[in-house]
Amino acid sequence: AQTVTQSQPEMSVQEAETVTLSCTYDTSESDYYLFWYKQPPSRQMILVIRQEAYKQQNATENRFSVNFQKAAKSFSLKISDSQLGDAAMYFCAYRAGTYKYIFGTGTRLKVLA
Amino acid sequence: GAVVSQHPSRVICKSGTSVKIECRSLDFQATTMFWYRQFPKQSLMLMATSNEGSKATYEQGVEKDKFLINHASLTLSTLTVTSAHPEDSSFYICSAGTNNYGYTFGSGTRLTVV
Repeated sequence: AQTVTQSQPEMSVQEAETVTLSCTYDTSESDYYLFWYKQPPSRQMILVIRQEAYKQQNATENRFSVNFQKAAKSFSLKISDSQLGDAAMYFCAYRAGTYKYIFGTGTRLKVLA
Repeated sequence: GAVVSQHPSRVICKSGTSVKIECRSLDFQATTMFWYRQFPKQSLMLMATSNEGSKATYEQGVEKDKFLINHASLTLSTLTVTSAHPEDSSFYICSAGTNNYGYTFGSGTRLTVV
């Protein structure tokens, strides 16, 4: 069975600094997608970044980038130049042939002014 | 594009009554919709997969007679919590989309059963 693990329940970062959130997953599939979602206090799930497993190049979206290590089944999120608005719960998610999302337990990110 | 509307955003109901939550794809046709439940400070738990024109597929442990799902059109899925009890109080979120273009989440519904 596929699993997604986020080992950091909470992280803190100083404003304008860089932080990395960790995610590991387990699957026997070769073709799948990985995602990072942000959930602010409003609880709206917002897609931050998406990575297709067949792509070797790491996805980047402005200040957000990932380090995708397929062999190690690792998918970390780096947030550069952290802003107060980045404070939220971040969920790592996996989706493969069954089309179901499997979510990690989340990491609460605090941004310190 | 890819906007998913979920209604209501908040609902309070009396124990024993039923509540319907709607999930609509506003600018695309969604062949598949998912319903999730999220307890405070926890992750999203998939309850069921709703496919247009067919019966929903429920995850293990989810009572299909309690959580009725109807996906009558390509733009609308509904989740009805029947005979609600306080333990059903939770945050319910839908997502809609297609496998080719990905899935978008609704804004969620906070259900409180008193």
